[in-house]
Amino acid sequence: GAVVSQHPSRVICKSGTSVKIECRSLDFQATTMFWYRQFPKKSLMLMATSNEGSKATYEQGVEKDKFLINHASLTLSTLTVTSAHPEDSSFYICSAQDPSGSPQDTQYFGPGTRLTVL
Amino acid sequence: AQKITQTQPGMFVQEKEAVTLDCTYDTSDQSYGLFWYKQPSSGEMIFLIYQGSYDEQNATEGRYSLNFQKARKSANLVISASQLGDSAMYFCAAGGSKAAGNKLTFGGGTRVLVKP
Repeated sequence: GAVVSQHPSRVICKSGTSVKIECRSLDFQATTMFWYRQFPKKSLMLMATSNEGSKATYEQGVEKDKFLINHASLTLSTLTVTSAHPEDSSFYICSAQDPSGSPQDTQYFGPGTRLTVL
Repeated sequence: AQKITQTQPGMFVQEKEAVTLDCTYDTSDQSYGLFWYKQPSSGEMIFLIYQGSYDEQNATEGRYSLNFQKARKSANLVISASQLGDSAMYFCAAGGSKAAGNKLTFGGGTRVLVKP
């Protein structure tokens, strides 16, 4: 149980285009999902908290207009990188909390998306 | 606010031996959780083990055990009988406080390389 998928796993795009990344909880309903960014050989940096049916909460320094988050259902959250530039190239990884799981607070992670902006 | 410190950037361990990964935390929350995740080169984050701040017994999960010393604010991970597949980055994290939005704060990670 507690499987989280992420799509696509890898994307290469031209500068100025927008890229959408999907995060799905496959066998549980997640009222809360999280989006992280990870630079090479670095730790995970929380970008935003995504709550189903409400606006995402962004961490300080994260541009909400740049990184659009939509949590339209209990099993799907999307991150759209708008007008991507080379500095947005990174590894993006989502996680979801299973409120009925044990331990309750555990975040289960998707496999990540490697974004390369040319 | 929470802060997680992993002082060992990298470690070598001989196959079949045990290894201890250090983690200290700083939190003002009364109730919190401590987590360890494994990140192999493929990038996925794999949940290993959890310790609640009010749990009196150290958590164990197969070959993983968590040495929880609350007074010292440490939550070291012990991997017993290391296997080649244990080579990965390991992250300690703290969180789970609903007051903090259930966010996790991660340490900088420790890279483990298991030698045959």
